[in-house]
Amino acid sequence: DAKTTQPPSMDCAEGRAANLPCNHSTISGNEYVYWYRQIHSQGPQYIIHGLKNNETNEMASLIITEDRKSSTLILPHATLRDTAVYYCIVRVSGNYGQNFVFGPGTRLSVLP
Amino acid sequence: NAGVTQTPKFQVLKTGQSMTLQCAQDMNHNSMYWYRQDPGMGLRLIYYSASEGTTDKGEVPNGYNVSRLNKREFSLRLESAAPSQTSVYFCASRGDRGMKNTEAFFGQGTRLTVV
Repeated sequence: DAKTTQPPSMDCAEGRAANLPCNHSTISGNEYVYWYRQIHSQGPQYIIHGLKNNETNEMASLIITEDRKSSTLILPHATLRDTAVYYCIVRVSGNYGQNFVFGPGTRLSVLP
Repeated sequence: NAGVTQTPKFQVLKTGQSMTLQCAQDMNHNSMYWYRQDPGMGLRLIYYSASEGTTDKGEVPNGYNVSRLNKREFSLRLESAAPSQTSVYFCASRGDRGMKNTEAFFGQGTRLTVV
């Protein structure tokens, strides 16, 4: 199973871009990278996912390196409401079926 | 469209008591999951169900049982609650390949305290 590594915490100034890194050096060719966030112990919220191309939606952009061993989630204009724990997840296939493995994530603090 | 609904939202149990956490989704998803989250930690998978009628153990299944009652509902049962099971429990469902969305949707959680 591919594992992910994220920094435990990051700060970002309000209005600036927040760049959250994730390493997934053992990712397999058919595994996707997903990003979720959890605001103040609510249920995790889906942000974005991708396979190998960069992706963008109304919430964020996802940049995946060419070798797919790492990715970066970009919140282009962070607001105070973006303060949350961000999880980078690689979808696991096999015995666990369509499982998600959550690590401790990155606690992003957006500062005024 | 309510998404994933969990009940109850809060519960206090005495050691040794039993209870069932309920989860229902209205998105016609095949896959459903139960996670627990302890303070300051990520989510750990307890059990999952890839489709109606099937269930499989996750990372931390001991002390729990599950039932996939039908496609909509996936319940988690604690037969004899222990203080170590004090946690926040999240249910999730996920769209399947071929559906428009394959991301997982989470309920708002059940905060369980075992005293």
